[in-house]
Amino acid sequence: DAGVTQSPTHLIKTRGQQVTLRCSPKSGHDTVSWYQQALGQGPQFIFQYYEEEERQRGNFPDRFSGHQFPNYSSELNVNALLLGDSALYLCASSLLGVNSPLHFGNGTRLTVT
Amino acid sequence: GNSVTQMEGPVTLSEEAFLTINCTYTATGYPSLFWYVQYPGEGLQLLLKATKADDKGSNKGFEATYRKETTSFHLEKGSVQVSDSAVYFCAYLTGRRALTFGSGTRLQVQP
Repeated sequence: DAGVTQSPTHLIKTRGQQVTLRCSPKSGHDTVSWYQQALGQGPQFIFQYYEEEERQRGNFPDRFSGHQFPNYSSELNVNALLLGDSALYLCASSLLGVNSPLHFGNGTRLTVT
Repeated sequence: GNSVTQMEGPVTLSEEAFLTINCTYTATGYPSLFWYVQYPGEGLQLLLKATKADDKGSNKGFEATYRKETTSFHLEKGSVQVSDSAVYFCAYLTGRRALTFGSGTRLQVQP
């Protein structure tokens, strides 16, 4: 049973470019959340998708957007990249229940130069 | 505002030593509390959780008790191993289904 898979594992972009990160949830899960983890920090919540709609959003600008597909997989898009967007981006999947634990992927390491 | 405060690391211990990593939180209501562990190059793994006051979460020899009166959820283990070396994150979950994490505590266990 595959867990949460993310691609690519590493990515290098230039300031001002756009990037798309991908996530496949754990089998049976219907909800996908994205987190940004800066070096030496804890993850910060970006947004959550359920039924192909953004359900919740953290304190991130509109440059960060996402999408969820009918098969529950998800994409995170970041436009107009800044140096400060360099981080590990983590995807987590779950069932939409209060007690459903979150399962995290290994993340995508984004470096903006 | 809502936040999680963890003791700063790194915490360096010898094998078989006793471990405590302190965690306190500021949140409204009665959040669920979690400890996650992150090994080098990997994502986060759920270590243990507690969903109401006085609950004790436990897993792999680690324990933490949900203390509502002190808003704390300290992580303990009686005898650490080299394989426990990792970064440990305390977190809480509110009805909004978004986790709020502390900044993490790096544990280094020496043989």
